Amino acid sequence: DVKVTQSSRYLVKRTGEKVFLECVQDMDHENMFWYRQDPGLGLRLIYFSYDVKMKEKGDIPEGYSVSREKKERFSLILESASTNQTSMYLCASSLVNAGTGELFFGEGSRLTVL
Amino acid sequence: DAKTTQPTSMDCAEGRAANLPCNHSTISGNEYVYWYRQIHSQGPQYIIHGLKNNETNEMASLIITEDRKSSTLILPHATLRDTAVYYCIVRGPMEYGNKLVFGAGTILRVKS
Repeated sequence: DVKVTQSSRYLVKRTGEKVFLECVQDMDHENMFWYRQDPGLGLRLIYFSYDVKMKEKGDIPEGYSVSREKKERFSLILESASTNQTSMYLCASSLVNAGTGELFFGEGSRLTVL
Repeated sequence: DAKTTQPTSMDCAEGRAANLPCNHSTISGNEYVYWYRQIHSQGPQYIIHGLKNNETNEMASLIITEDRKSSTLILPHATLRDTAVYYCIVRGPMEYGNKLVFGAGTILRVKS
Protein backbone atom coordinates (compact mmCIF):
# COMPACT_ATOMS: atom_id res chain seq x y z
CA ASP A 1 0.00 0.00 0.00
CA VAL A 2 1.08 3.54 -0.71
CA LYS A 3 2.05 5.32 2.42
CA VAL A 4 2.30 9.06 2.92
CA THR A 5 3.76 9.86 6.31
CA GLN A 6 3.66 13.25 7.96
CA SER A 7 6.20 13.78 10.69
CA SER A 8 3.93 15.15 13.40
CA ARG A 9 0.19 14.74 14.02
CA TYR A 10 0.04 17.64 16.48
CA LEU A 11 2.33 20.64 16.96
CA VAL A 12 2.11 23.71 19.15
CA LYS A 13 4.39 26.64 18.26
CA ARG A 14 4.74 30.25 19.26
CA THR A 15 4.30 33.29 17.02
CA GLY A 16 7.49 34.04 15.14
CA GLU A 17 8.95 30.54 15.39
CA LYS A 18 10.19 28.73 12.28
CA VAL A 19 8.17 25.59 11.66
CA PHE A 20 9.04 22.59 9.51
CA LEU A 21 6.39 20.10 8.43
CA GLU A 22 7.85 17.00 6.84
CA CYS A 23 6.17 14.59 4.44
CA VAL A 24 7.58 11.34 3.06
CA GLN A 25 6.02 9.00 0.51
CA ASP A 26 7.24 5.51 -0.29
CA MET A 27 5.87 4.91 -3.80
CA ASP A 28 8.24 6.88 -6.01
CA HIS A 29 5.54 9.42 -6.91
CA GLU A 30 6.56 12.43 -8.96
CA ASN A 31 3.89 14.84 -7.70
CA MET A 32 3.65 16.02 -4.11
CA PHE A 33 1.29 18.60 -2.61
CA TRP A 34 0.70 20.59 0.54
CA TYR A 35 -2.85 21.64 1.43
CA ARG A 36 -4.28 23.36 4.47
CA GLN A 37 -7.77 22.71 5.71
CA ASP A 38 -9.88 25.11 7.73
CA PRO A 39 -13.53 24.84 8.80
CA GLY A 40 -15.87 26.19 6.13
CA LEU A 41 -13.04 26.69 3.62
CA GLY A 42 -12.32 23.13 2.55
CA LEU A 43 -8.85 22.15 1.36
CA ARG A 44 -6.73 24.89 -0.16
CA LEU A 45 -3.54 24.20 -2.08
CA ILE A 46 -0.43 25.90 -0.73
CA TYR A 47 2.38 24.53 -2.92
CA PHE A 48 3.03 21.55 -5.11
CA SER A 49 6.03 19.93 -6.72
CA TYR A 50 6.24 17.74 -9.80
CA ASP A 51 9.92 16.85 -9.56
CA VAL A 52 12.94 17.12 -7.33
CA LYS A 53 13.90 20.76 -6.75
CA MET A 54 10.80 21.92 -8.66
CA LYS A 55 7.99 23.79 -6.94
CA GLU A 56 4.90 25.68 -7.97
CA LYS A 57 2.70 28.04 -6.00
CA GLY A 58 -0.80 26.94 -5.25
CA ASP A 59 -3.70 29.16 -4.30
CA ILE A 60 -2.42 30.42 -0.93
CA PRO A 61 1.42 30.39 -0.89
CA GLU A 62 1.90 33.57 1.14
CA GLY A 63 3.77 32.95 4.38
CA TYR A 64 4.99 29.51 3.29
CA SER A 65 7.91 27.99 1.44
CA VAL A 66 8.71 24.43 0.43
CA SER A 67 11.70 22.23 -0.21
CA ARG A 68 12.05 19.09 -2.30
CA GLU A 69 15.62 17.89 -2.25
CA LYS A 70 14.73 14.21 -2.65
CA LYS A 71 11.90 12.64 -4.62
CA GLU A 72 10.30 11.02 -1.58
CA ARG A 73 10.36 14.05 0.71
CA PHE A 74 8.46 17.35 0.52
CA SER A 75 8.82 19.84 3.33
CA LEU A 76 6.59 22.80 4.17
CA ILE A 77 8.26 25.68 5.96
CA LEU A 78 6.67 28.49 7.90
CA GLU A 79 9.49 31.03 8.20
CA SER A 80 7.79 33.01 10.97
CA ALA A 81 4.63 31.37 12.22
CA SER A 82 1.59 33.51 12.83
CA THR A 83 -1.69 32.74 14.58
CA ASN A 84 -3.60 32.74 11.26
CA GLN A 85 -1.52 29.75 10.22
CA THR A 86 -3.17 27.63 12.87
CA SER A 87 -4.69 24.90 10.74
CA MET A 88 -4.69 21.27 9.65
CA TYR A 89 -1.96 20.64 7.07
CA LEU A 90 -2.30 17.76 4.64
CA CYS A 91 0.38 16.33 2.40
CA ALA A 92 -0.43 14.27 -0.68
CA SER A 93 1.35 12.54 -3.54
CA SER A 94 0.41 11.12 -6.92
CA LEU A 95 1.85 9.35 -9.93
CA VAL A 96 2.05 11.07 -13.27
CA ASN A 97 0.64 9.55 -16.44
CA ALA A 98 -0.20 6.23 -14.87
CA GLY A 99 -2.98 4.64 -12.90
CA THR A 100 -6.00 6.61 -11.82
CA GLY A 101 -4.26 9.88 -11.04
CA GLU A 102 -5.35 9.29 -7.48
CA LEU A 103 -4.01 11.53 -4.74
CA PHE A 104 -2.76 9.70 -1.66
CA PHE A 105 -3.01 11.73 1.51
CA GLY A 106 -1.22 11.59 4.81
CA GLU A 107 -3.14 11.73 8.08
CA GLY A 108 -2.51 15.42 8.54
CA SER A 109 -0.58 17.65 10.93
CA ARG A 110 -2.61 19.88 13.19
CA LEU A 111 -0.63 23.02 13.93
CA THR A 112 -1.55 25.48 16.65
CA VAL A 113 0.31 28.81 16.74
CA LEU A 114 0.00 30.68 20.03
CA ASP B 1 -10.38 23.45 -14.03
CA ALA B 2 -14.17 23.54 -14.06
CA LYS B 3 -16.01 24.52 -10.87
CA THR B 4 -18.35 22.12 -9.10
CA THR B 5 -21.47 22.72 -7.03
CA GLN B 6 -22.62 20.30 -4.32
CA PRO B 7 -25.29 20.46 -1.62
CA THR B 8 -23.92 21.46 1.76
CA SER B 9 -25.27 18.42 3.58
CA MET B 10 -27.43 15.32 3.20
CA ASP B 11 -28.85 12.65 5.46
CA CYS B 12 -29.25 8.98 4.61
CA ALA B 13 -30.71 6.03 6.51
CA GLU B 14 -28.34 3.17 7.24
CA GLY B 15 -28.69 0.39 4.67
CA ARG B 16 -30.25 2.65 2.05
CA ALA B 17 -28.55 4.01 -1.03
CA ALA B 18 -26.91 7.40 -0.68
CA ASN B 19 -27.09 9.49 -3.86
CA LEU B 20 -24.79 12.51 -3.83
CA PRO B 21 -25.26 14.98 -6.70
CA CYS B 22 -22.69 17.28 -8.26
CA ASN B 23 -23.08 19.97 -10.91
CA HIS B 24 -20.16 20.77 -13.20
CA SER B 25 -21.81 22.65 -16.05
CA THR B 26 -18.56 24.18 -17.35
CA ILE B 27 -16.68 20.89 -17.65
CA SER B 28 -14.63 20.57 -20.80
CA GLY B 29 -14.21 17.53 -23.01
CA ASN B 30 -10.97 16.23 -21.53
CA GLU B 31 -11.77 16.81 -17.87
CA TYR B 32 -12.47 13.96 -15.49
CA VAL B 33 -14.87 13.86 -12.55
CA TYR B 34 -13.26 12.65 -9.33
CA TRP B 35 -14.85 11.84 -5.99
CA TYR B 36 -13.03 11.80 -2.68
CA ARG B 37 -14.28 11.55 0.85
CA GLN B 38 -12.86 12.62 4.19
CA ILE B 39 -13.77 10.89 7.38
CA HIS B 40 -13.30 12.97 10.50
CA SER B 41 -9.65 13.46 11.53
CA GLN B 42 -8.27 11.63 8.50
CA GLY B 43 -6.86 12.68 5.14
CA PRO B 44 -9.14 12.53 2.08
CA GLN B 45 -9.55 9.16 0.41
CA TYR B 46 -10.08 8.49 -3.29
CA ILE B 47 -13.40 6.85 -4.17
CA ILE B 48 -13.86 6.79 -7.94
CA HIS B 49 -13.42 8.80 -11.11
CA GLY B 50 -14.82 8.87 -14.65
CA LEU B 51 -14.74 10.70 -17.95
CA LYS B 52 -17.93 9.88 -19.88
CA ASN B 53 -19.09 6.41 -18.99
CA ASN B 54 -20.63 5.28 -15.75
CA GLU B 55 -18.14 3.63 -13.44
CA THR B 56 -18.43 1.18 -10.58
CA ASN B 57 -15.92 -0.15 -8.09
CA GLU B 58 -16.07 -1.87 -4.72
CA MET B 59 -16.86 1.38 -2.94
CA ALA B 60 -19.36 3.19 -5.16
CA SER B 61 -20.90 3.89 -8.55
CA LEU B 62 -20.51 7.07 -10.55
CA ILE B 63 -23.26 8.13 -12.93
CA ILE B 64 -22.35 10.91 -15.37
CA THR B 65 -25.11 12.51 -17.45
CA GLU B 66 -24.85 12.34 -21.21
CA ASP B 67 -24.06 16.05 -21.50
CA ARG B 68 -21.49 15.61 -18.68
CA LYS B 69 -22.80 18.66 -16.86
CA SER B 70 -23.65 16.74 -13.72
CA SER B 71 -22.92 13.49 -11.97
CA THR B 72 -24.12 11.41 -9.03
CA LEU B 73 -22.08 9.31 -6.64
CA ILE B 74 -24.02 6.32 -5.34
CA LEU B 75 -23.14 4.43 -2.19
CA PRO B 76 -25.44 1.42 -2.63
CA HIS B 77 -25.85 0.39 1.02
CA ALA B 78 -24.71 3.21 3.27
CA THR B 79 -23.30 2.34 6.68
CA LEU B 80 -22.53 4.54 9.67
CA ARG B 81 -18.87 4.45 8.64
CA ASP B 82 -19.78 6.25 5.41
CA THR B 83 -20.51 9.42 7.39
CA ALA B 84 -17.98 11.85 5.92
CA VAL B 85 -17.48 14.91 3.73
CA TYR B 86 -17.70 13.98 0.05
CA TYR B 87 -15.86 16.07 -2.52
CA CYS B 88 -16.67 16.20 -6.22
CA ILE B 89 -13.73 17.52 -8.25
CA VAL B 90 -13.13 18.15 -11.93
CA ARG B 91 -9.61 18.02 -13.30
CA GLY B 92 -7.79 17.74 -16.58
CA PRO B 93 -5.75 14.80 -17.82
CA MET B 94 -2.89 13.64 -15.67
CA GLU B 95 0.22 15.65 -16.23
CA TYR B 96 3.15 16.95 -14.29
CA GLY B 97 1.93 19.18 -11.52
CA ASN B 98 -1.72 18.53 -12.29
CA LYS B 99 -3.53 19.32 -9.09
CA LEU B 100 -6.90 18.74 -7.53
CA VAL B 101 -8.89 21.74 -6.31
CA PHE B 102 -11.23 20.82 -3.46
CA GLY B 103 -14.46 22.69 -2.81
CA ALA B 104 -16.46 22.62 0.41
CA GLY B 105 -18.00 19.22 -0.36
CA THR B 106 -21.17 17.58 0.93
CA ILE B 107 -21.46 16.43 4.53
CA LEU B 108 -23.18 13.04 4.42
CA ARG B 109 -24.69 11.87 7.69
CA VAL B 110 -25.74 8.24 7.77
CA LYS B 111 -28.24 7.62 10.55
CA SER B 112 -29.37 4.40 12.16
